[in-house]
Amino acid sequence: EPEVTQTPSHQVTQMGQEVILRCVPISNHLYFYWYRQILGQKVEFLVSFYNNEISEKSEIFDDQFSVERPDGSNFTLKIRSTKLEDSAMYFCASSERAFRRETQYFGPGTRLLVL
Amino acid sequence: GENVEQHPSTLSVQEGDSAVIKCTYSDSASNYFPWYKQELGKGPQLIIDIRSNVGEKKDQRIAVTLNKTAKHFSLHITETQPEDSAVYFCAATQYNNNDMRFGAGTRLTVKP
Repeated sequence: EPEVTQTPSHQVTQMGQEVILRCVPISNHLYFYWYRQILGQKVEFLVSFYNNEISEKSEIFDDQFSVERPDGSNFTLKIRSTKLEDSAMYFCASSERAFRRETQYFGPGTRLLVL
Repeated sequence: GENVEQHPSTLSVQEGDSAVIKCTYSDSASNYFPWYKQELGKGPQLIIDIRSNVGEKKDQRIAVTLNKTAKHFSLHITETQPEDSAVYFCAATQYNNNDMRFGAGTRLTVKP
């Protein structure tokens, strides 16, 4: 069964450094998402992406964050200058098509630790 | 915006018993309610969902009910097995909306 994959599974970085989290959505899916889950807290929506542009973003998704689909398979989340409070589990998700885009399939996540 | 509350935060049942997890939502415009199961070290996996034009949906041992008037929905797992042990999340959103709001999660433990 097709699934969303994410790399790396764990990332440790120093405060102020840039990190890029990578995702490979399910191949025929058109909508892509990033969520984060701070330890012990709810899963929070960050951003959605369709047709090579951001379609919606939350208040969390400030200028430090950016997303990109550099090729036909990868979807990346970049944090330009990491802060301690960026430490969280980051989940990528994808959904298939317009009228079912609310049905989202999640990857296994990348655990980011900012020191 | 939408706010989803989930109860209980932890639930322990004996193998074979039923488990019920309840969620409430605040935005009456929400019309899609998925449930995700998250096992240790894995991402949330969609297990069942319900749309607002349906009051109940069942898939083998899992069922979900929706009460639009009261703005709450519940997950029912019957004949629980140890492999049902996981964290379960409810969520709410609207059709063609990207911003899915999650509950805080319920850690279900099924004791053999």
